[in-house]
Amino acid sequence: NAGVMQNPRHLVRRRGQEARLRCSPMKGHSHVYWYRQLPEEGLKFMVYLQKENIIDESGMPKERFSAEFPKEGPSILRIQQVVRGDSAAYFCASSLTVTTNTGELFFGEGSRLTVL
Amino acid sequence: AQTVTQSQPEMSVQEAETVTLSCTYDTSENNYYLFWYKQPPSRQMILVIRQEAYKQQNATENRFSVNFQKAAKSFSLKISDSQLGDTAMYFCAFMLNDMRFGAGTRLTVKP
Repeated sequence: NAGVMQNPRHLVRRRGQEARLRCSPMKGHSHVYWYRQLPEEGLKFMVYLQKENIIDESGMPKERFSAEFPKEGPSILRIQQVVRGDSAAYFCASSLTVTTNTGELFFGEGSRLTVL
Repeated sequence: AQTVTQSQPEMSVQEAETVTLSCTYDTSENNYYLFWYKQPPSRQMILVIRQEAYKQQNATENRFSVNFQKAAKSFSLKISDSQLGDTAMYFCAFMLNDMRFGAGTRLTVKP
């Protein structure tokens, strides 16, 4: 059973370009979470999604950032018009449905975004 | 909103000795989960130990154990017989509907 898969592992963008980060949750998981980790800091919650729904986006910047988790395919974190401050590691995690939720999140290996 | 506080940015311990990492949290909820995650230099997030708030018994996983004080909202991690491979960032996390992390404690195990 494959774990949470994130790609690309490393992404380099110039200021003003768009970054798209993809996350395929573990098989059977319908909850996806995105976190951002700046160098030497902890993980900051960004957004929590279920299939086709955004449940909590309280940690998401109001502009330039968006996330989706379509019925088919991976979850996508999209950053438009990137700036240097967006350089970070972006982690995706998934969990089982709420009714059988053991409370554990399974993390991907992260996508490291570098903005030049 | 739930908050998680780790008051020790850095700690060190001699190999084979015991170290305790502190964590406090704030919530008005009664049922939730608490976790310790380890992040080695590879940056992979690795689950160390999990505690359900409704369980009074402290969780234990081999050399790792917790001291869960629900009334005090405290959730410390004890690592016994520390090994060089335990060197990593350790994050305390609280989960209700989503997971919130503390700022982390950088642990160095010295030979």
